[in-house]
Amino acid sequence: EAGVAQSPRYKIIEKRQSVAFWCNPISGHATLYWYQQILGQGPKLLIQFQNNGVVDDSQLPKDRFSAERLKGVDSTLKIQPAKLEDSAVYLCASSFNADTQYFGPGTRLTVL
Amino acid sequence: RKEVEQDPGPFNVPEGATVAFNCTYSNSASQSFFWYRQDCRKEPKLLMSVYSSGNEDGRFTAQLNRASQYISLLIRDSKLSDSATYLCVVNNNYQLIWGAGTKLIIKP
Repeated sequence: EAGVAQSPRYKIIEKRQSVAFWCNPISGHATLYWYQQILGQGPKLLIQFQNNGVVDDSQLPKDRFSAERLKGVDSTLKIQPAKLEDSAVYLCASSFNADTQYFGPGTRLTVL
Repeated sequence: RKEVEQDPGPFNVPEGATVAFNCTYSNSASQSFFWYRQDCRKEPKLLMSVYSSGNEDGRFTAQLNRASQYISLLIRDSKLSDSATYLCVVNNNYQLIWGAGTKLIIKP
């Protein structure tokens, strides 16, 4: 079974630039999550989708972050404009039953 | 007080020893609990769910204490390959709250 795919794996940008990340969940998984993990901390949930609807985006900085999952399958997360403090690993996860989550390899973002 | 708290460690433990660490949570209505393992520069992977009656998977035992609002993870006969960060996750009405993790280092 194919796992959660994410791209790119690494991205380096300058502050105030824009960046987008892509995630393709495991086939059949209705729930998709985007997390931000800063070095030395646990993952912080940014947004949770159930199919193409948003379940929880309470911790998403909506002035600069946006996410969509238009067809209920793959998803994109965008940051515009990026700040230095956005440097982190962005993890995408999916689950079938909203409990056990399977993570992709993550995108390591460095903002200079 | 944080919603989910863990001792960051690191716990330095000799190979073959038993090690245990806890995770406390603040919401008494939390419904389900999990332990994830994260290797350095890798994504988290589910280690085990934590059931009310406690559960065991090989060398790993997870316990839930609702009265004191903590979950625990016990690792027996620790191996070098157990070195990782162990993250606890608490499900509050389908909102998943993650601890910051406990770093475990197993030494030969």
